[in-house]
Amino acid sequence: DAGVTQSPTHLIKTRGQHVTLRCSPISGHKSVSWYQQVLGQGPQFIFQYYEKEERGRGNFPDRFSARQFPNYSSELNVNALLLGDSALYLCASSSSEGTGTNYGYTFGSGTRLTVV
Amino acid sequence: GQNIDQPTEMTATEGAIVQINCTYQTSGFNGLFWYQQHAGEAPTFLSYNVLDGLEEKGRFSSFLSRSKGYSYLLLKELQMKDSASYLCAVRDNYGQNFVFGPGTRLSVLP
Repeated sequence: DAGVTQSPTHLIKTRGQHVTLRCSPISGHKSVSWYQQVLGQGPQFIFQYYEKEERGRGNFPDRFSARQFPNYSSELNVNALLLGDSALYLCASSSSEGTGTNYGYTFGSGTRLTVV
Repeated sequence: GQNIDQPTEMTATEGAIVQINCTYQTSGFNGLFWYQQHAGEAPTFLSYNVLDGLEEKGRFSSFLSRSKGYSYLLLKELQMKDSASYLCAVRDNYGQNFVFGPGTRLSVLP
């Protein structure tokens, strides 16, 4: 079975541009969460979606938005990119709305975004 | 507020035992998780504690004291492949997301 897949794996954008990152959860998983991990720090929660509805939002500006599709895949969009948006963006899926299992999330390998 | 603290870096010798501490202050608590993350890769699940005490899984053990807001990850018989960052994370009351610590970068030397 495929794990959580993210695309693209690496991306370079210029300040002010827009970016769309994509995530496909594990088959059967209905919850997708997005995290931002700046180099040398732990991941920071951005969004959670369950059954195509937003269930949680972290402390990120409105430039960040996301959505979940009927097949439970998800997109993270970031507008008006800043240098500080350079980070590893991680997608994580779980089978339930809450990460009710003892194993929490399964993470994808991430998209490395560099803003120049 | 939400705050999780871990040492930034640790170094240990192959075959030795190392303990990585984590202290937390969070508005909610529904479990503490440890993840391992090799450079450039996704975090992978190591252990989970929701009740006080020690959980053992092979070479890895994790301890939790909820009253003290404290956990540790114990790695025994260290191997070179254990060189990685170790992330402590607290799951919120609703189980919807995690608050992660900054991670501890462990270097295992021969």
